[in-house]
Amino acid sequence: RKEVEQDPGPFNVPEGATVAFNCTYSNSASQSFFWYRQDCRKEPKLLMSVYSSGNEDGRFTAQLNRASQYISLLIRDSKLSDSATYLCVALNYGGSQGNLIFGKGTKLSVKP
Amino acid sequence: SQTIHQWPATLVQPVGSPLSLECTVEGTSNPNLYWYRQAAGRGLQLLFYSVGIGQISSEVPQNLSASRPQDRQFILSSKKLLLSDSGFYLCAWEGQTYGYTFGSGTRLTVV
Repeated sequence: RKEVEQDPGPFNVPEGATVAFNCTYSNSASQSFFWYRQDCRKEPKLLMSVYSSGNEDGRFTAQLNRASQYISLLIRDSKLSDSATYLCVALNYGGSQGNLIFGKGTKLSVKP
Repeated sequence: SQTIHQWPATLVQPVGSPLSLECTVEGTSNPNLYWYRQAAGRGLQLLFYSVGIGQISSEVPQNLSASRPQDRQFILSSKKLLLSDSGFYLCAWEGQTYGYTFGSGTRLTVV
C-alpha cells in the first residue's frame, strides 16, 4: 500500500465551481501534512499546511482527520489559474530531519 | 530572505556519461537539504538528504551519489548515467517554520 494516496483525476471543472480533493495516508506516525501545488514542468510550491482543526486561506480550505488518516482540500469559486496538479504530502520525522512523502498528485483543469 | 538555486534547468546527456547537478541555498545556515526525483507519471521520490557538511543519507540504492562540500551547497552526481535516470530532479531545503522550499529543478533526459 502506498504511503500517501490520491485520486489522480483529472478533475475538469468550470470556472466558479467548488472542487474537493481527498487523500489518505498509511503511516499513523506522520506528524504534519501539507498541500503543494505543481504547475506543468515546474517545481512544487507550498499551498498550505493542514491542521486537525481545519484551516482556511481565502478560497482554499484544508482538513485533517487523524482517526481516519484522511486529508482534504476544498477549492471554492475555481479560477482558471487554479489549473495545476495538487500534491498531498505527509511529513515523517526520524532523527534530526524530516522526510516528505508525496502523493502522485491530483490534476485539476478549470475551464472557462 | 532565503533562496534556493538549482542548475542547469535542462540537460540532455548520453547513456554512460557523468552527471553533476548543483544546488545552493542563500540566506540560511546549516539547512537540511534534500534531492528528490520525479519520473514521468510518478510521484516525487526522495533520493538523498543531508543534515550538515559531509553528512549524506541515501534513501534509494542506485547509481547516483550526493555530496555536501559546503554548508549551503548540495551536489548530485553520477559516474555513468542510465536511461532510467531521466526525470525531473529537485533540490529542497527545510525551512525553520514549516514546509520545504524547492529549487526550480533540472529536467534530465538521458538518450
